[in-house]
Amino acid sequence: NAGVTQTPKFQVLKTGQSMTLQCAQDMNHNSMYWYRQDPGMGLRLIYYSASEGTTDKGEVPNGYNVSRLNKREFSLRLESAAPSQTSVYFCASSPTSGLRSGGNEQFFGPGTRLTVL
Amino acid sequence: GENVEQHPSTLSVQEGDSAVIKCTYSDSASNYFPWYKQELGKGPQLIIDIRSNVGEKKDQRIAVTLNKTAKHFSLHITETQPEDSAVYFCAATSKGGSYIPTFGRGTSLIVHP
Repeated sequence: NAGVTQTPKFQVLKTGQSMTLQCAQDMNHNSMYWYRQDPGMGLRLIYYSASEGTTDKGEVPNGYNVSRLNKREFSLRLESAAPSQTSVYFCASSPTSGLRSGGNEQFFGPGTRLTVL
Repeated sequence: GENVEQHPSTLSVQEGDSAVIKCTYSDSASNYFPWYKQELGKGPQLIIDIRSNVGEKKDQRIAVTLNKTAKHFSLHITETQPEDSAVYFCAATSKGGSYIPTFGRGTSLIVHP
C-alpha cells in the first residue's frame, strides 16, 4: 500500500495563477482532509470530506475549493493564488470521520510545498 | 470550538534524558487525544493516542497521561535518542467538532548526542 500520495511535491506560482493539488489514498478510508502548515501555527484544517459526496469547510477555507472525485481522491484548488497561501499543504485520510467511534487516527501524505510569488 | 495549547514550543535535551510535552484543551467533551511525530520533510505520523476513559497509556519509551479534570494531557519520552528529534503535535477531538482533531502548534524536540 502506498498510503496517502500527494502531487506535486513542490510548486511555485505567481500571484493570480491557479492550480490543483491532488491527493489519493488506497486504504479504503471514508474521510479525507486538507490542512495547511505554517511556521508556529500547527496544522490548520482547510476543508474535509466526511464521506464520498460530501465536503465541509474547516478553519481556513477562504481562497480554496475542493472536490471529492471518488472515494480515493480529494483535490484542493487555488483559483487565484495569493502570497498568503504560501505554505506546506498536507492531505490526510481516516477510516471514518469519528462520528461513530469518537475520533480516529489520521494518515498523512508527504505534503506539497507551495510558494506564491 | 476546541482550543488546544501546547508547551513548550522548543525543547532541547541530552541523549538519555527524558522529555515532557504538555497540552491543555478547552472542550470538556473532548474524548480522543492523539500525538503525532513529524520528521523533517515528512507528514505527521501517529505515535500514541489515548481516549478519555483511560488515564495513562504506555508504549515502550513513550507514554501519555490524561487529566480530564484539569483538561490537560502530556507526552513523556524516556531515554531519548537522536532519532527522537522531530516536531511533535498534540490534538483533541470532540463531538462538537465533528470529531475532527484540533491540533496544538507543535513542539520541536532536539536530542543532542
